[in-house]
Amino acid sequence: GAVVSQHPSWVICKSGTSVKIECRSLDFQATTMFWYRQFPKQSLMLMATSNEGSKATYEQGVEKDKFLINHASLTLSTLTVTSAHPEDSSFYICSASPPGRVNTEAFFGQGTRLTVV
Amino acid sequence: SQKIEQNSEALNIQEGKTATLTCNYTNYSPAYLQWYRQDPGRGPVFLLLIRENEKEKRKERLKVTFDTTLKQSLFHITASQPADSATYLCALDNYGQNFVFGPGTRLSVLP
Repeated sequence: GAVVSQHPSWVICKSGTSVKIECRSLDFQATTMFWYRQFPKQSLMLMATSNEGSKATYEQGVEKDKFLINHASLTLSTLTVTSAHPEDSSFYICSASPPGRVNTEAFFGQGTRLTVV
Repeated sequence: SQKIEQNSEALNIQEGKTATLTCNYTNYSPAYLQWYRQDPGRGPVFLLLIRENEKEKRKERLKVTFDTTLKQSLFHITASQPADSATYLCALDNYGQNFVFGPGTRLSVLP
């Protein structure tokens, strides 16, 4: 099966600093990757669609200047939380699908638990 | 407005029984509907996909139904085991652009 790897799995940072989260497709190329955010006991909320070689598409209410997305290659997308605040503490998850399985099966990274203190 | 509901937030059943989880949606017309399993602190794992022209899909102890008239999918786990305890999410294809997830049902299978 397709493998999506996310790093780090957890991170603690001080308020005001920036944190970068990586999402890699290990055995397939992904022109599109998705970034989600999940609060405790809630479902995944799509934050943005990361497009290789072009700007990310952000969902309504998500600040693009705060959540910077870079999809510089077909196997790597990064999410940078800039000037993090305690309310940004959450579980961030990425997903991608191999060509031919887009829209039919999503493969998720293991998630990143961000804690801002 | 568009909505996806999963009834209920939590479900407890006895080991060996069949667990039935429900996913209802409003103002979507999905070509596909999927079910995922999520364990605490982990990303979701794909289980099954059912297309709009399919009424039922099975995989081992799992069975999914899809009624586009009722706008509902049922997810069954037969002969449930404590290892089946997890949160189960339904997801809809959102006009081919992305997936939209339901809030999930936390299933606990009691020994």
